[in-house]
Amino acid sequence: QQPVQSPQAVILREGEDAVINCSSSKALYSVHWYRQKHGEAPVFLMILLKGGEQKGHEKISASFNEKKQQSSLYLTASQLSYSGTYFCGTGDRGSTLGRLYFGRGTQLTVWP
Amino acid sequence: DTAVSQTPKYLVTQMGNDKSIKCEQNLGHDTMYWYKQDSKKFLKIMFSYNNKELIINETVPNRFSPKSPDKAHLNLHINSLELGDSAVYFCASSQLQGTNSPLHFGNGTRLTVT
Repeated sequence: QQPVQSPQAVILREGEDAVINCSSSKALYSVHWYRQKHGEAPVFLMILLKGGEQKGHEKISASFNEKKQQSSLYLTASQLSYSGTYFCGTGDRGSTLGRLYFGRGTQLTVWP
Repeated sequence: DTAVSQTPKYLVTQMGNDKSIKCEQNLGHDTMYWYKQDSKKFLKIMFSYNNKELIINETVPNRFSPKSPDKAHLNLHINSLELGDSAVYFCASSQLQGTNSPLHFGNGTRLTVT
């Protein structure tokens, strides 16, 4: 039930791009993306509910594939403030009993 | 204004003790959660409540007892603390039940059991 996130860690220079993937062996009801800075709470970035959906703005965006088994988070022209651990959370069902299961996280470090 | 607040921020205690963590949200959300984040940053759901009613209990030992006096508060009481309980505990809330609504996390309570 726990999604698989890759890569585990990414190191970038300011201005470079990164892609973080989140996948499951089963079709998902929803995908959430969160960013957590060291010693702080996870902060919501975006949620995707429909197969084929893409969301976000030009710098940080995400997609949900047609089969609803994979989502990717795209970070373009990275800034120092993007550093942190990114988590995807996947919803296992659409009912009110649905649970959100988190991946192991991707640690992103942006250097000047 | 803090949306989801939890106290205390740090909790250091000895094995066998009982401790509580309090959580309050002022977002008007109906659903609240407790998540546990271990030393490897793995975030795992423990409980969810909707309007004071327990909805999810994710096979958590019964030493952990959540209590929701009203829909804005969700507290966590832990009996007979063990070393393995050391972790960061996050309270969260969401507007809707289920998984199509974003989670708003509190700042966490770092519990250290010695």
